[in-house]
Amino acid sequence: DQQVKQNSPSLSVQEGRISILNCDYTNSMFDYFLWYKKYPAEGPTFLISISSIKDKNEDGRFTVFLNKSAKHLSLHIVPSQPGDSAVYFCAARFTGTASKLTFGTGTRLQVTL
Amino acid sequence: DAGVTQSPTHLIKTRGQQVTLRCSPKSGHDTVSWYQQALGQGPQFIFQYYEEEERQRGNFPDRFSGHQFPNYSSELNVNALLLGDSALYLCASNTGGFTTDTQYFGPGTRLTVL
Repeated sequence: DQQVKQNSPSLSVQEGRISILNCDYTNSMFDYFLWYKKYPAEGPTFLISISSIKDKNEDGRFTVFLNKSAKHLSLHIVPSQPGDSAVYFCAARFTGTASKLTFGTGTRLQVTL
Repeated sequence: DAGVTQSPTHLIKTRGQQVTLRCSPKSGHDTVSWYQQALGQGPQFIFQYYEEEERQRGNFPDRFSGHQFPNYSSELNVNALLLGDSALYLCASNTGGFTTDTQYFGPGTRLTVL
C-alpha cells in the first residue's frame, strides 16, 4: 500500500525554466510534508517542508504547495539550475512520529543547458 | 561539524549470514532512525532509537534488530539474510525523539546479498 506516490519517475527541464514535481498521498492523517533531494552516493538532504495548516511555503527558489482536499502537493523550482539535477523524494509524517517518514518513490530531475 | 556517518560503505554477504551496520549521528543529535531503500524505491522506515530504546518500528520482521549506545551511536543487525535484503540502508538522526526536528541522513551502506 503506497501511501505517498510520485507518479512521474523522471522529468527533464531546461535551465532557467520552472521545474514542477508532484506528489499525491492517500492517508488524510498525514499532517506534515517534506521534500528531500538525493545525489548519487549521498544520503537524502532536506529541502523544504510544509505543515498541513498551510497551503504554501517558500524558501528562495523552492516553493511547496499543498492542496489538502486533493491530497496533493507540488514542489516548484524557479529558476531551475543544472545543480538541481538529482532525485527528489516527497515524504509525509503524522504528528508525534517525527522520525517515521513515509517516502514516495522519487522523481529524477534533469536540468539541461 | 560532522554530519551523520555510516560504516561500512559497501558490504557483500551471502544468504543466511548475519550483518551489522553502524551509524554515528550528527553532533548534538540523540535520536537515530534506520531506513531501507530498495532499488527504484523510496526509503522505508525500519525503526527509531531514542534513549537507548526502540521507540517506533515499521513493517519489518524480527530479523531486523538494533541497538543504541550511550553516545547515541547505533547499530542495525539483520539475521538470516535473504536476497531481498539487498538495498541501501540509510541512517538518519535528529533531536528529541518525537519532536518535529528535521532528520539528517547519512550516505548509507550498500548491502548486497548473494
